[in-house]
Amino acid sequence: EAQVTQNPRYLITVTGKKLTVTCSQNMNHEYMSWYRQDPGLGLRQIYYSMNVEVTDKGDVPEGYKVSRKEKRNFPLILESPSPNQTSLYFCASSYRVGREQYFGPGTRLTVT
Amino acid sequence: QKEVEQDPGPLSVPEGAIVSLNCTYSNSAFQYFMWYRQYSRKGPELLMYTYSSGNKEDGRFTAQVDKSSKYISLFIRDSQPSDSATYLCATFNTGTASKLTFGTGTRLQVTL
Repeated sequence: EAQVTQNPRYLITVTGKKLTVTCSQNMNHEYMSWYRQDPGLGLRQIYYSMNVEVTDKGDVPEGYKVSRKEKRNFPLILESPSPNQTSLYFCASSYRVGREQYFGPGTRLTVT
Repeated sequence: QKEVEQDPGPLSVPEGAIVSLNCTYSNSAFQYFMWYRQYSRKGPELLMYTYSSGNKEDGRFTAQVDKSSKYISLFIRDSQPSDSATYLCATFNTGTASKLTFGTGTRLQVTL
């Protein structure tokens, strides 16, 4: 089944404790992206990747890092999480930039 | 001013009603328009993908784009309780194809 998977689905952590949210797609898509979704603000792009080893900032990149060492994986790293990063995070992929994106199930992160 | 505006709702309609969901956008360069449906605790899933002005129909769903007034609509005929979800409009242009710009979503409730 074609899909985008994320792990973990739910995470509660404390300020400053480094964490990684994994994202994997099995559709051989070139383009992958991370979004956060907050009430009243909608979906905002954090980082995106056009292909392996090619990443760039989205609208709200502060406090986040990403890497794209393999085509299928695009982890999101929070080096020192803060409470304002409490949010619902989505990974998405598409076969190339500018085409319809397929979203993962989301990761609900709470930073206390 | 947000680039894409969408009434958050909630919008409550009886089963069988015709539903009209709308977005306005400010950037005349936007060329591609999408509607996503998001069920509670799930990732957005693509419903419709359109380019340029006009209508596109898929089953009970019709997407309409009016570029002259920067207005996009999604019509749902014979609405069902299973249509209860949040509907997100999204857009991009070839110059910003690395990201989608989303509306904040309209929550729809179809009652029996």
